[in-house]
Amino acid sequence: EVQLVESGGYLVQPGGSLRLSCAASGFTFSKFWMTWVRQAPGKGLEWVANINEDGSEKYYVDSVRGRFSISRDNAKNSVYLQMNSLGVEDTAVYSCAIGSGWYEHWGLGTLVTVSS
Amino acid sequence: IVLTQSPGTLSLSPGERATLSCRASQSVSRNYLAWYQQKPGQTPKILIYGASIRATGIPDRFSGSGSGTDFTLTISRLEPEDFAVYYCQQYGSSPPLSFGGGTKVEIK
Repeated sequence: EVQLVESGGYLVQPGGSLRLSCAASGFTFSKFWMTWVRQAPGKGLEWVANINEDGSEKYYVDSVRGRFSISRDNAKNSVYLQMNSLGVEDTAVYSCAIGSGWYEHWGLGTLVTVSS
Repeated sequence: IVLTQSPGTLSLSPGERATLSCRASQSVSRNYLAWYQQKPGQTPKILIYGASIRATGIPDRFSGSGSGTDFTLTISRLEPEDFAVYYCQQYGSSPPLSFGGGTKVEIK
């Protein structure tokens, strides 16, 4: 069974940093792109970033480029999202998903709250 | 590519037909357009990909159509479990990919 479990969400002050993790199981992690998607409270889905199978290609939505960094560790079946210079607009549930196109498998997400 | 979904909310009764629209700011390459259903507290569920291909296990009352910049999700007869929020997503362009703002289908 495919499982994606995110962690690392927390209450952080504006300007702060967080590192999110997504632990994957039930599939051959090293053969798939991985994506982060976020959803602000009561709002819609926003694609954030993705990374290819070996970590050599990374893409970001304009609003996070230069502040967020996606990475992966295939030995640990995990993908990460390093988030710096956080603003209140980054408050959301962050979920990881498998693939680079449409997404069949999603994690439930981890809540990041940016507030003073 | 910016995706605009309409209407924002659709109020219908069980058994009625639902027609949801997704309009793209530029042509979606290879009609790489997906539709998802999301219920409160749940992850999005893939319904349609490639504009018109039903995902595994999706009932045939759900259908997708369209090409280029205009796409439609149709639910032929609403079942009680179909009341939810629906999102379109394009994956035909180079990243970043994008989602529409969503359409809520609520019970009238």
